[in-house]
Amino acid sequence: SQQGEEDPQALSIQEGENATMNCSYKTSINNLQWYRQNSGRGLVHLILIRSNEREKHSGRLRVTLDTSKKSSSLLITASRAADTASYFCATGRRTGNQFYFGTGTSLTVIP
Amino acid sequence: DAGVIQSPRHEVTEMGQEVTLRCKPISGHDYLFWYRQTMMRGLELLIYFNNNVPIDDSGMPEDRFSAKMPNASFSTLKIQPSEPRDSAVYFCASSFGREPQHFGDGTRLSIL
Repeated sequence: SQQGEEDPQALSIQEGENATMNCSYKTSINNLQWYRQNSGRGLVHLILIRSNEREKHSGRLRVTLDTSKKSSSLLITASRAADTASYFCATGRRTGNQFYFGTGTSLTVIP
Repeated sequence: DAGVIQSPRHEVTEMGQEVTLRCKPISGHDYLFWYRQTMMRGLELLIYFNNNVPIDDSGMPEDRFSAKMPNASFSTLKIQPSEPRDSAVYFCASSFGREPQHFGDGTRLSIL
């Protein structure tokens, strides 16, 4: 499969806690992106990290990338009920413009 | 700004019927992608276009599936004949170059 894999498949936390999701992939990449999907909606882009970057921040989001381990993590700090959604990583190859999405982590934030 | 627009939002039809899904990408975007999402297989890339030309259709499952992009503002994904295993949510996405993709809200397809 060309897809990456997210871990865990499902995560349930209390509002205010931090949520960490991991993504593993198989091939060399140009960049890695994280997307969010609310129930019944399309995916929304959150953050992009390039293969030569190790860490990136955007608001309450922190993404790390370890190309030697072919893995990435997404940290959401001070979670809110509105963060309840599925989160996907997507890997972009060095050639072409297609992205391959992982299997997703379903996050539930309990108010 | 209008996002990616897909129609219909929901489609229920009987096995053997032709199904046509439609997509209007964001104006100015030069890439268009079609995906299929199921619980079992996750989000799969079916085909993508650059400047209206199909670049990679290796994800198209069978000859029953076809996609066209007659101009920069419109694309269709057609299934003929449809089968129950084609039931899924189909997403269209567009992007400008290698920028992040913008997704429509999908078409939920049910084949009875």
